[in-house]
Amino acid sequence: EAQVTQNPRYLITVTGKKLTVTCSQNMNHEYMSWYRQDPGLGLRQIYYSMNVEVTDKGDVPEGYKVSRKEKRNFPLILESPSPNQTSLYFCASSPDRSYGYTFGSGTRLTVV
Amino acid sequence: GQNIDQPTEMTATEGAIVQINCTYQTSGFNGLFWYQQHAGEAPTFLSYNVLDGLEEKGRFSSFLSRSKGYSYLLLKELQMKDSASYLCAVSRDSNYQLIWGAGTKLIIKP
Repeated sequence: EAQVTQNPRYLITVTGKKLTVTCSQNMNHEYMSWYRQDPGLGLRQIYYSMNVEVTDKGDVPEGYKVSRKEKRNFPLILESPSPNQTSLYFCASSPDRSYGYTFGSGTRLTVV
Repeated sequence: GQNIDQPTEMTATEGAIVQINCTYQTSGFNGLFWYQQHAGEAPTFLSYNVLDGLEEKGRFSSFLSRSKGYSYLLLKELQMKDSASYLCAVSRDSNYQLIWGAGTKLIIKP
C-alpha cells in the first residue's frame, strides 16, 4: 500500500530532551515536507526537500533540523524542544505539484 | 503579504449543496489545492486548479478565478461523512511550497 509512515503517533517529552520524528514513504517521491498544524493557524511548513541531500527552510524552521540521506526517509529532529513546539506534525510527500501531497497520519507532540 | 481567507465554520443539511469559498493574495500563483481533513486525521487531496473554470469530480467540484483571487469548493448531495475541515492551499511558484488557509469546518446536520 502506497503510504507515508510517521512515528511515533503520540509523544510527550520534557523541555530540552532531544527527539526525532521519523517519516518514510514507499512511493519513490522526490519531494517531501514537514508541517506543523496549530488551531486557527492552518498548516505551516517547517522544512522541505526536493531530493536526496537537498533541503531548505520553510516558513517556521527555527528549532528544527532535517536530513535527507535516502529518498524514502525524511526525519524531523528537535535538538532542544520547548513548550511552544507542542503541536500536531505532519510529513507529506509528492511526485509532482499537480498531484497534491500524500500526508502521514500525524504526530501529536507535547513538550512539558 | 501572503494571505488566504476561508470562513471558519459552516453548517449545512444532509442531502443539500454547500459552497466553501477561498480568497487569496499571494506574490505568485501556480495552482490552488483543496484538501479534506477529518478531525484528528491527515489531510487528503481533493482537487487542483491551475486554470480558470470549474473542475468536477463526482459530488465535489472546484472553481478558480485567477483574476479575482478566488476559488470555491462545491459539495453536492451532502452526506454525514462530509463533516470535516476543508483546507485551501496556494502554490506560489514552480516549487512545491504551499501557503495554507486555516480551514473551514463543515458541520452536516441530519
